[in-house]
Amino acid sequence: KAGVTQTPRYLIKTRGQQVTLSCSPISGHRSVSWYQQTPGQGLQFLFEYFSETQRNKGNFPGRFSGRQFSNSRSEMNVSTLELGDSALYLCASSRRTTHQETQYFGPGTRLLVL
Amino acid sequence: AQKITQTQPGMFVQEKEAVTLDCTYDTSDQSYGLFWYKQPSSGEMIFLIYQGSYDEQNATEGRYSLNFQKARKSANLVISASQLGDSAMYFCAMRGGTSGTYKYIFGTGTRLKVLA
Repeated sequence: KAGVTQTPRYLIKTRGQQVTLSCSPISGHRSVSWYQQTPGQGLQFLFEYFSETQRNKGNFPGRFSGRQFSNSRSEMNVSTLELGDSALYLCASSRRTTHQETQYFGPGTRLLVL
Repeated sequence: AQKITQTQPGMFVQEKEAVTLDCTYDTSDQSYGLFWYKQPSSGEMIFLIYQGSYDEQNATEGRYSLNFQKARKSANLVISASQLGDSAMYFCAMRGGTSGTYKYIFGTGTRLKVLA
């Protein structure tokens, strides 16, 4: 079974630009979550999508948005980039049952904002 | 407010020995989930183990076990028979809230070094 894939793996942007990151979950998984990882703030939850609907959201400004398509692939968009948005962005594909939850992460997209 | 605390920034363990990584949490939710992840230097996060708050038995996955003490709000990870490949950063995390308001929070991590 193929794992979670994220594209692109590396990205360099300048302040004020916008960026779109893509995540393809494990086949059959309908839940996709996004996280931001920085040395200063650690790992922070951005949002979760399930069946094309945003189900849960972390404490990030509206510049961070996402969507999920009918094939469960998800995109994350960051508009008006700031230097502080430089981070590793991780996507996770989840299966959740009554007694078990597993999250499989992709390799991440490393974003550098200049 | 929900919080995850990992008090050990770094740890060393001899190969083939067992090691315990500490994690305490704080939440007022009745239902929550606890996770442990491994992040090697390559950067990819690897899911290790999950414990639901209503599960009375400690979760186990191969060499990993989660020592869940609900009253003390601790969820320590035990790695048995350490291997050199276990050297990595380890994160404890919690999913709290109810469906529609879930929040995932992570600890600051513990860097484990396995010595040959």
